[in-house]
Amino acid sequence: GQNIDQPTEMTATEGAIVQINCTYQTSGFNGLFWYQQHAGEAPTFLSYNVLDGLEEKGRFSSFLSRSKGYSYLLLKELQMKDSASYLCAVRDRRRGQNFVFGPGTRLSVLP
Amino acid sequence: GAGVSQSPRYKVAKRGQDVALRCDPISGHVSLFWYQQALGQGPEFLTYFQNEAQLDKSGLPSDRFFAERPEGSVSTLKIQRTQQEDSAVYLCASSRGLVDNEQYFGPGTRLTVT
Repeated sequence: GQNIDQPTEMTATEGAIVQINCTYQTSGFNGLFWYQQHAGEAPTFLSYNVLDGLEEKGRFSSFLSRSKGYSYLLLKELQMKDSASYLCAVRDRRRGQNFVFGPGTRLSVLP
Repeated sequence: GAGVSQSPRYKVAKRGQDVALRCDPISGHVSLFWYQQALGQGPEFLTYFQNEAQLDKSGLPSDRFFAERPEGSVSTLKIQRTQQEDSAVYLCASSRGLVDNEQYFGPGTRLTVT
């Protein structure tokens, strides 16, 4: 099976940098995804990693280490609108195209 | 362009009632997924369609749950004899092809069973 862990909650200040960690266990790893979900809304895609290293997209970056079963999402220059849940999800090639999601990290950005 | 839409957005059902939740994926998207999301948790996979074929239903929690996509576009998730533990947000997602890196989610249907 798969086990995905993320911190439940984090708090940061506007303008700061925050790193949200995700650890996973799977034997058929086929990609790791980060989604943002505002309360009461649909998850929206942020990033995708399948090879080790850092993927940068504007204020958001995502890192993957397959050997360690570890990823992080880095958010820079935090804005109030970044307050949301951040979902880490893993795709397992043994399970086709469906994702297994972690519990999500609820980030609160304070002024 | 139009995204994934779901209806109804909110549904209140009495325990024991049957409900039907609808998903309209992005036009032309081959793959369609249903997830169940409990409050404060990540989405949990229920079932997956490739066109009209249901390729994976391993996540359906009981035989009271049934999903279909008869013409390979709109999908319906039906829950029979609803129970209180069925209360959750039901999310639908679609993706363009057979192996895609991005799933596009609908806004979900919040089901409350009283």
